[in-house]
Amino acid sequence: KQEVTQIPAALSVPEGENLVLNCSFTDSAIYNLQWFRQDPGKGLTSLLLIQSSQREQTSGRLNASLDKSSGRSTLYIAASQPGDSATYLCAVIVGAGGTSYGKLTFGQGTILTVHP
Amino acid sequence: GAVVSQHPSWVICKSGTSVKIECRSLDFQATTMFWYRQFPKQSLMLMATSNEGSKATYEQGVEKDKFLINHASLTLSTLTVTSAHPEDSSFYICSARRAGGRDTQYFGPGTRLTVL
Repeated sequence: KQEVTQIPAALSVPEGENLVLNCSFTDSAIYNLQWFRQDPGKGLTSLLLIQSSQREQTSGRLNASLDKSSGRSTLYIAASQPGDSATYLCAVIVGAGGTSYGKLTFGQGTILTVHP
Repeated sequence: GAVVSQHPSWVICKSGTSVKIECRSLDFQATTMFWYRQFPKQSLMLMATSNEGSKATYEQGVEKDKFLINHASLTLSTLTVTSAHPEDSSFYICSARRAGGRDTQYFGPGTRLTVL
C-alpha cells in the first residue's frame, strides 16, 4: 500500500526566504506526482505535475523535483511571500508499465506560514 | 478551462437526514470522477471512484449504502450521504479526470457538511 509522508508538518518563515518542502513515498512504481496548494476551507489548486519519467518541473518561483528511485520529491519555493501561506499537499498516482491506476494518494500536508 | 464546481458549498442538516452533493465539470467531459473526504487538519482520503454509466468503486472501509454515488452523465456526479450523523461532518471534495486526456485530476472547491 502506497504511503506518502510530508516533512515538516508546519513551517513558519519570514518573507523573502527560500524554502524546501519534502515529500516521500513508499512505492516507487508511481505514474506521476503532483503538488497542490490548499487555502483554509477551500479546494485544491494544482501547482506542478511531474511525470514518472521526469526529474523536475518549474513554474514561476516554484520548482519541484522527483527522485523516483529513492521515493522522494521536493518543492522549492523561492523568495517566499505572505500570499504563499497555505497548506501544501503532495500526492502520487500509482501505476506501472506506462499505465495509471488513477488513484491519488495524498500526504498529510505542510502548513506554510510566511510572515511579513 | 477544466473547471469543476460543487454544490452546495456548505450545508447544515439534522441527524438522520440525507444530503446530496453535486460535482460538475463545467467545460469538459469527465469519464471518471473521484470523491474525497477531508477531516479537520487531515489530508484527503479517497472514498470512491465514479465512472460514467457504471457503478462506483469504493475504497476499503467506505460504506456503499451510506455514501451513494451516481455518475449519470459525463459532466455530473452526485454523492448522497444517507441518514447522516455527526461523525459524517467533514469537507467533501470531488475531482474530475478529462476524457481522453492526461491523468490530471481537476478539483472542485469542496462542500462543508455539518450534521447536528
